[in-house]
Amino acid sequence: AQSVTQLGSHVSVSEGALVLLRCNYSSSVPPYLFWYVQYPNQGLQLLLKYTTGATLVKGINGFEAEFKKSETSFHLTKPSAHMSDAAEYFCAVRGLAGGTSYGKLTFGQGTILTVHP
Amino acid sequence: GAVVSQHPSRVICKSGTSVKIECRSLDFQATTMFWYRQFPKKSLMLMATSNEGSKATYEQGVEKDKFLINHASLTLSTLTVTSAHPEDSSFYICSATPREQGANISVFSLNQPQHFGDGTRLSIL
Repeated sequence: AQSVTQLGSHVSVSEGALVLLRCNYSSSVPPYLFWYVQYPNQGLQLLLKYTTGATLVKGINGFEAEFKKSETSFHLTKPSAHMSDAAEYFCAVRGLAGGTSYGKLTFGQGTILTVHP
Repeated sequence: GAVVSQHPSRVICKSGTSVKIECRSLDFQATTMFWYRQFPKKSLMLMATSNEGSKATYEQGVEKDKFLINHASLTLSTLTVTSAHPEDSSFYICSATPREQGANISVFSLNQPQHFGDGTRLSIL
């Protein structure tokens, strides 16, 4: 079975500061990895994804994430936070190992990002 | 980009009412759609996988007779909450993944992300 752990349910940064949201996964084979953002009372919007190839992936709104197989991590970063980045962020893995989890997304618990002026 | 439309966005109704939620992929074909439930301040929980032309696959603990899923076409899946009660109040979200190009129609593209609808806030009084 696969699982996702997001360290820190709440992260608070000042506007202009570095954003770092942590995600670690557990899977028997390297999965596909995704970061989504959710604004209040809305669905999820894809920020970026990693499937194969370059381990540093760039997404929308200046976000990027690096897949580190040895650390089973896929942390999300942004060099300079903006007020509009305040939202909840979800890391997700898509299982590729077969069985009942094959193809399904498993989400982390979510991290609420607050940006202070 | 790929757009998923979910309707209605909000429903308030009396206990015992059945509520239907629609999920449409507007600019792509989706052999497979997913239905999630999200509790306040919680993550998304997969309820079921909806497959066009066949029965939905429900996750453990999800009552299939309570949450009826129909996937009548490659662009539409519906979730009906039957005889809804206050404990069914929640935020329901659907998602869809584009069908793999050139592949068997039953295969969705694994390296494509799921595209989410904007969710339905269901409140049962």
